[in-house]
Amino acid sequence: AQKVTQAQTEISVVEKEDVTLDCVYETRDTTYYLFWYKQPPSGELVFLIRRNSFDEQNEISGRYSWNFQKSTSSFNFTITASQVVDSAVYFCALRRNGRETSGSRLTFGEGTQLTVNP
Amino acid sequence: DVKVTQSSRYLVKRTGEKVFLECVQDMDHENMFWYRQDPGLGLRLIYFSYDVKMKEKGDIPEGYSVSREKKERFSLILESASTNQTSMYLCASSHGQNQETQYFGPGTRLLVL
Repeated sequence: AQKVTQAQTEISVVEKEDVTLDCVYETRDTTYYLFWYKQPPSGELVFLIRRNSFDEQNEISGRYSWNFQKSTSSFNFTITASQVVDSAVYFCALRRNGRETSGSRLTFGEGTQLTVNP
Repeated sequence: DVKVTQSSRYLVKRTGEKVFLECVQDMDHENMFWYRQDPGLGLRLIYFSYDVKMKEKGDIPEGYSVSREKKERFSLILESASTNQTSMYLCASSHGQNQETQYFGPGTRLLVL
């Protein structure tokens, strides 16, 4: 069985602070994919990043960075110099690498509500 | 750009009504998905479809059915709406290949009275 845990239900920071959102996953698969999505108040989930289990390189995209550590089954997301527009619910998700139809399924964490105050 | 649209942003229905939620994607994606989102529970998969007329149950299919008669359209049906089906419903689509990303629609907030 697969599981994704986002232990932080809510985080509140002041603008320009750095903030890290934690994601821990469980899977028996040796090959899998990890995702982060952002859900602003409008409701639509916006894709941020996809990572496969073979690639443990950290990634940076502007103010966003991701730290993938297979040894601890974690895929944490850091926002540097946070802004009010970063306020949203962030979801971490896990997907299998199977060719069977069930391989398309995503397992989501519960989400972390990030509030950035001015 | 991938575009996934849902027929309604907000919907209010009465208990016992039959409810149709429609989702359309314009990227020729093979896979389409219906999720519901509830506070503290994240997103839970209701049904998905990997081809026209093909479907598989997700984690919480009870009380729902789906229809995929055309590749671009995936409908979620609540045969007899109940108050515990009040939720946010999100549709997503992706290509059939292994590593493809799911892209989401704007969601439908359904209130069943």
